[in-house]
Amino acid sequence: EVQVVESGGGLVQPGKSLRLSCAASGFTCGSYWMTWVRQAAGKGLEWVANINQDGSDKNYVDSVKGRFTISRDNAKNSLALQMNSLRAEDTAVYYCARLRHGEGGFYGMDVWGQGTTVTVS
Amino acid sequence: DIQLTQSPFFLSASVGDRVTITCRASQGHRSDLAWYQQKPGKAPKLLMYATSTLQSGVPSRFSGSGSGTEFTLTISSLQPEDFATYYCQQLNIYPWTFGQGTKVETK
Repeated sequence: EVQVVESGGGLVQPGKSLRLSCAASGFTCGSYWMTWVRQAAGKGLEWVANINQDGSDKNYVDSVKGRFTISRDNAKNSLALQMNSLRAEDTAVYYCARLRHGEGGFYGMDVWGQGTTVTVS
Repeated sequence: DIQLTQSPFFLSASVGDRVTITCRASQGHRSDLAWYQQKPGKAPKLLMYATSTLQSGVPSRFSGSGSGTEFTLTISSLQPEDFATYYCQQLNIYPWTFGQGTKVETK
């Protein structure tokens, strides 16, 4: 079964760090762009970051630039999000997702995890 | 940033109804637009990508259209399992952005 499973969420104080992990199975993670999306309670979806297949291209939403780092370990079929200098507004469910990508561009996030909850308080 | 504005915010409908959700972009972009369905407590599910291409396994009652700054998601005959929140997303210009969501509720 193709799936991704997030872990690492929890309660953390403002200014502290947390590292989220995403384990992929059923597909070769290294063949896909991967991404993180977050959703605050009762709110909409917010794209956070993405990374290309070999980790050489990373993109971030402005609000996390300089604080969050996306990375991957293709040998372990995994993705990570290192979150530093956390703020109350980073409180959300964080989803790991697989990106469909082709010659025409990006085709959406087709495999999502169940999410991991980060609370900054 | 490209702002995506969905309308309506809430939609009350009955089983069998034809439902249309609009997603308007603050500036024109290529057709790298996707639609997602999200049910409470669950992860989003990809319905449509590249504006009008149905994701594998998604029922054909869902369709998408549009270009430039206006895009639509249509459900031709609403089914009980379709009551959910729908989001559009542009994946053309960073930062990628989502619409605020449209909640489809039972009338």
